[in-house]
Amino acid sequence: DAGVIQSPRHEVTEMGQEVTLRCKPISGHNSLFWYRQTMMRGLELLIYFNNNVPIDDSGMPEDRFSAKMPNASFSTLKIQPSEPRDSAVYFCASSFRFEQFFGPGTRLTVL
Amino acid sequence: AQSVTQLDSQVPVFEEAPVELRCNYSSSVSVYLFWYVQYPNQGLQLLLKYLSGSTLVKGINGFEAEFNKSQTSFHLRKPSVHISDTAEYFCAVSEGQAGTALIFGKGTTLSVSS
Repeated sequence: DAGVIQSPRHEVTEMGQEVTLRCKPISGHNSLFWYRQTMMRGLELLIYFNNNVPIDDSGMPEDRFSAKMPNASFSTLKIQPSEPRDSAVYFCASSFRFEQFFGPGTRLTVL
Repeated sequence: AQSVTQLDSQVPVFEEAPVELRCNYSSSVSVYLFWYVQYPNQGLQLLLKYLSGSTLVKGINGFEAEFNKSQTSFHLRKPSVHISDTAEYFCAVSEGQAGTALIFGKGTTLSVSS
């Protein structure tokens, strides 16, 4: 298995632009997690899904952030409009039971 | 509410020395515990996990951890570190069913020098 796949790996955009991050979980995993990592705040859980259904989105910072999981093999995290303070590394992880497998992350820079 | 405290933000050690990275958690129920490692510019990789059974858990790269329920701790140890162990280490806890979120500590930076 290729592991969790995230795209793009790097994204540089200007303030106000829409950003879409993509994640393909490991086949057979039924839980998917989106995290954000910054130097100041560390690793934060944004939202997670079980069987494609959002379970907890309390970590989503603002209405500018939205996430979808239309099927078991794909999820998106969208930021619209983006702001410089959204600059971070965004990780997607998937799990079948307890162990979470992380993707390589998307490094987002908002200018 | 559950929480995880990693007591040291940075741990500098010399190569071949032993190391212990400390982790304490707070929870009122049974927990599942994890240690992850993050090398520079990479995602998190599972080092080891405690779900049940023996309280001494062995993981990859020669690391081990001991679950101590009375002290609510899950410290990570390695008897002899290498330069390549330089990385960020995260302790995490889950107290729910499979598929629930992990709560991560702030991380400990292990710096191994020669």
